Amino acid sequence: AAGVIQSPRHLIKEKRETATLKCYPIPRHDTVYWYQQGPGQDPQFLISFYEKMQSDKGSIPDRFSAQQFSDYHSELNMSSLELGDSALYFCASSSTGIYGYTFGSGTRLTVV
Amino acid sequence: DAKTTQPPSMDCAEGRAANLPCNHSTISGNEYVYWYRQIHSQGPQYIIHGLKNNETNEMASLIITEDRKSSTLILPHATLRDTAVYYCIVRDPGTYKYIFGTGTRLKVLA
Repeated sequence: AAGVIQSPRHLIKEKRETATLKCYPIPRHDTVYWYQQGPGQDPQFLISFYEKMQSDKGSIPDRFSAQQFSDYHSELNMSSLELGDSALYFCASSSTGIYGYTFGSGTRLTVV
Repeated sequence: DAKTTQPPSMDCAEGRAANLPCNHSTISGNEYVYWYRQIHSQGPQYIIHGLKNNETNEMASLIITEDRKSSTLILPHATLRDTAVYYCIVRDPGTYKYIFGTGTRLKVLA
């Protein structure tokens, strides 16, 4: 069965650079969620989109932005990267009427 | 803002049942309880969810107390591959976002 696809799997950036993370939800899933998990920490909700509109917002820094496109894939754009942005970034998708999310394998971002 | 409380760690002997408790005393009447696990740094994996009644699937059983303020996830015959962090999650009311708590780090011992 198709899963949630995230790319890239690993990304190394320097401070003050920008990064774009991509998420391709399960086909026919209409909602995408982004989570950030720092080293030794629990996943923290960043933002979600339902039918291409932002639905919920969490502790997402102003330097980050995200959107969901017409094909339902989503991108998380991160600018002015800081060392503290080094983390695993997970995307999850769900569909109305289906309980629970399906998470992707994550993108490991390292800022040096 | 975690809505759930879990013990930070537990050990379980291989082949025995692992019982993981969770307190969610502020859960509202129509909110489900979800359980996920995260093996090493992989994406969290859905296990089971429930509202009021006990639930069972091929992975686990979920026992929810009558007042819905707590629940227990049961892995009937734990294996080494069940070593993971287990999260009990209740959605933020009025939203679809999960708020992860600190989870229980389960170690299955040979």
